[in-house]
Amino acid sequence: AQKITQTQPGMFVQEKEAVTLDCTYDTSDQSYGLFWYKQPSSGEMIFLIYQGSYDEQNATEGRYSLNFQKARKSANLVISASQLGDSAMYFCASYTGGFKTIFGAGTRLFVKA
Amino acid sequence: DGGITQSPKYLFRKEGQNVTLSCEQNLNHDAMYWYRQDPGQGLRLIYYSQIVNDFQKGDIAEGYSVSREKKESFPLTVTSAQKNPTAFYLCASSTSWQGTGELFFGEGSRLTVL
Repeated sequence: AQKITQTQPGMFVQEKEAVTLDCTYDTSDQSYGLFWYKQPSSGEMIFLIYQGSYDEQNATEGRYSLNFQKARKSANLVISASQLGDSAMYFCASYTGGFKTIFGAGTRLFVKA
Repeated sequence: DGGITQSPKYLFRKEGQNVTLSCEQNLNHDAMYWYRQDPGQGLRLIYYSQIVNDFQKGDIAEGYSVSREKKESFPLTVTSAQKNPTAFYLCASSTSWQGTGELFFGEGSRLTVL
């Protein structure tokens, strides 16, 4: 069965510094997608970045990059130049088809001024 | 603008009452989903629908019911059989199975049972 593990319940980062949020996944499928979503205190889930299992390059979207290490089954999110507005919950998720996405428990990020 | 609209945003219910949460999308997506989120936890799938007039149970379907009479609409009913219904409920949609699986979410509905 699929499983997503996020081992950091909470993280602190100084404004303008970079931060890495950890995610490991467990799947036996060869084809899968990995996602990161952001959930501000208002509650909505915001898509940040996607990495396909066959993509050789790490995905990047603005200040977000996904450090994809397939052999280690790791899909860490790197946020560069943190901003106060980055304070939120961050969820790692995996999708292997069949309309089922599995979410991790999330990491709460606090950005300090 | 295209998106997903959930209502109501906040809902209070007495024990023993059924309540229905609304979810409407104008993204022309085939698939729609309901997730439940409890404090400090990730999202758990309640029900999903790939196409009109068809839906499937997710991981925690007991005590919930859904319908999909129109492509745009996927309401969720929390029945009195749901033993612990207080939670945050998120509706989502996605393109067909040929897509990446990216989910588009509504703003959520927070249900509190008094």
